[in-house]
Amino acid sequence: KAGVTQTPRYLIKTRGQQVTLSCSPISGHRSVSWYQQTPGQGLQFLFEYFSETQRNKGNFPGRFSGRQFSNSRSEMNVSTLELGDSALYLCASSFSGGKDEKLFFGSGTQLSVL
Amino acid sequence: SQQGEEDPQALSIQEGENATMNCSYKTSINNLQWYRQNSGRGLVHLILIRSNEREKHSGRLRVTLDTSKKSSSLLITASRAADTASYFCATSNFGNEKLTFGTGTRLTIIP
Repeated sequence: KAGVTQTPRYLIKTRGQQVTLSCSPISGHRSVSWYQQTPGQGLQFLFEYFSETQRNKGNFPGRFSGRQFSNSRSEMNVSTLELGDSALYLCASSFSGGKDEKLFFGSGTQLSVL
Repeated sequence: SQQGEEDPQALSIQEGENATMNCSYKTSINNLQWYRQNSGRGLVHLILIRSNEREKHSGRLRVTLDTSKKSSSLLITASRAADTASYFCATSNFGNEKLTFGTGTRLTIIP
C-alpha cells in the first residue's frame, strides 16, 4: 500500500506570491490533516478535511486555505506569502479521523519564502 | 498552541543505553500518542495509550501515562544508532479530535 504522498518536496517562493501544496492520502483514508512545522513554533495544526468538508480548523489567518476532492486528495493554498510562512508543511491521513486513530504522515513540503 | 511539552529538549546517550523522555500536557485527554521524526521528514507513529491505561509496551518501547499528573513517559531500551530522531507526544482532547503535538525531544545515540 502506498504511503501518503506530498508534492512538491521543496518549493521556493517570494513574498506576496501564492502557493498550492498537494497531498494524496493512503488509499481508503478519508481524513486528511495539515500541519505547519517550524523550529520556533513546532507542529501547529492547520485544518482537517473529511469527505470534502473542513471539519476542524487551527488558528491560522485566512490566507491559509484548503480543500479536499472526492478521491480524498487534498490541497492547501497559502496566498500573499510572508517570510514567516517558511516551514515544513506536513500532511497526514487516517481512515476516518477518529480520536483513537493514528496518523500517517507524508514526507512534507519544505517551503522557503524569500 | 502546544498542548504537550517534552522534557528534556535534547538528549544524547551511548548506544545500548536506555533513553527516557517525558511529556506533560494541560487538559484532559482521550489518548496520548508518541511519534518519531527523522530529520526533515514526516512523523511515524510509535504507540498510542488511552486515558484509562497506565502502561503499554511495543518492542523496545515502554510508555506510561499518569493522568493525575497529566504526564507521560517514553522509554526506549537498548538504544541503537537508528533511534536517533526527534520524538513527539501528541494528545487528543475531549470534544476536539485534532491531535495536538508537543515540542519534541531530540534524541542522539552515540555509536
